[in-house]
Amino acid sequence: DTEVTQTPKHLVMGMTNKKSLKCEQHMGHRAMYWYKQKAKKPPELMFVYSYEKLSINESVPSRFSPECPNSSLLNLHLHALQPEDSALYLCASSQDLFVGELFFGEGSRLTVL
Amino acid sequence: AQSVTQLGSHVSVSEGALVLLRCNYSSSVPPYLFWYVQYPNQGLQLLLKYTSAATLVKGINGFEAEFKKSETSFHLTKPSAHMSDAAEYFCAVSDRGNEKLTFGTGTRLTIIP
Repeated sequence: DTEVTQTPKHLVMGMTNKKSLKCEQHMGHRAMYWYKQKAKKPPELMFVYSYEKLSINESVPSRFSPECPNSSLLNLHLHALQPEDSALYLCASSQDLFVGELFFGEGSRLTVL
Repeated sequence: AQSVTQLGSHVSVSEGALVLLRCNYSSSVPPYLFWYVQYPNQGLQLLLKYTSAATLVKGINGFEAEFKKSETSFHLTKPSAHMSDAAEYFCAVSDRGNEKLTFGTGTRLTIIP
């Protein structure tokens, strides 16, 4: 099983809503990542978890809150987002922190109204 | 700090023609270099990677890339383009393979029937 599964695929939310994006992998990978990708741009790293602990926060606004409940799951909690936060949010995993190939999910496309 | 430059944000080739996507890197140490492909509405998939072994790297779907230290380049090629190759291609670099990936700005490949 070499898949990273992300849900939901599409999400529309208002600026006052609270929602969550979910990511799951069953490859035994110990590092998981959240990237943000705007249209026609490369992915931008947001957060990295290694062995279920937050290793990197790329100065992301606090309205984005990551969570790693266990080694297979990664969540991104969203609250009070702005329209400019509309983007494709990609989850990825790798064998270890920046070691080995990054496996990406198909992404969750978020629209903030 | 490492960086990559992808020359040409948009490349069009005829079906059956040679595909050449350019990537130049800047790194203070011997880099690890990657090519990722992103099909519409999907996540990123690793095409190939250079990790200081053979300078000519073969990847999936008939793609290959050659690491040229003298030119600081890692161009992606495919002898004969297929319609299914239409996608966005990202070059990425990592110092020593254990640092975060830095992506290029991407090249959109269009295949002309």
